[in-house]
Amino acid sequence: TQLLEQSPQFLSIQEGENLTVYCNSSSVFSSLQWYRQEPGEGPVLLVTVVTGGEVKKLKRLTFQFGDARKDSSLHITAAQPGDTGLYLCAGAWVGGFKTIFGAGTRLFVKA
Amino acid sequence: DTAVSQTPKYLVTQMGNDKSIKCEQNLGHDTMYWYKQDSKKFLKIMFSYNNKELIINETVPNRFSPKSPDKAHLNLHINSLELGDSAVYFCASRRTGDAGYEQYFGPGTRLTVT
Repeated sequence: TQLLEQSPQFLSIQEGENLTVYCNSSSVFSSLQWYRQEPGEGPVLLVTVVTGGEVKKLKRLTFQFGDARKDSSLHITAAQPGDTGLYLCAGAWVGGFKTIFGAGTRLFVKA
Repeated sequence: DTAVSQTPKYLVTQMGNDKSIKCEQNLGHDTMYWYKQDSKKFLKIMFSYNNKELIINETVPNRFSPKSPDKAHLNLHINSLELGDSAVYFCASRRTGDAGYEQYFGPGTRLTVT
């Protein structure tokens, strides 16, 4: 069974703190995406990483793809209440149509 | 301007009824998906169509029947609804050949079966 495990499942922090969310698998992926989902809405794509070791930055968010393309991390610097949401990682394989989603990390940032 | 739209947004119905959910995308994508998100927020793929052809059919009860009249539309019909069908159903689309395999999601349809 191909699984993506995310940790932690739940995170509640104060505004201004830093945090890291992890996404791990035993499978090698062609690409990995990170999505954010807010209540009552569909997931929205944040970033895609495709190269082992790749690092991408999106303002205060830093995404890293593991060298072996089996894992990824999302680091948020100086979290803000607007960062609150469900963060999902998803992995895909070249030539395939199926994407595997992790169970998600629920983040609450308190003002 | 909505890229992926779904109707209805909310659906409340009784056990045993038959209902349909519709999805449309105006992104020019050739692949569309149906996902089910349960109360624990886990997104599970149900079906996928590529150019109107069914390419992914996960272990889903036969009561669920997808239909793609064209590349821009993917509908989901559910027969004999059960309590366990209560969930949020998301439609998504993707362009085959995009290196990143990114998917674009609709706003979801919250189905409640009473």
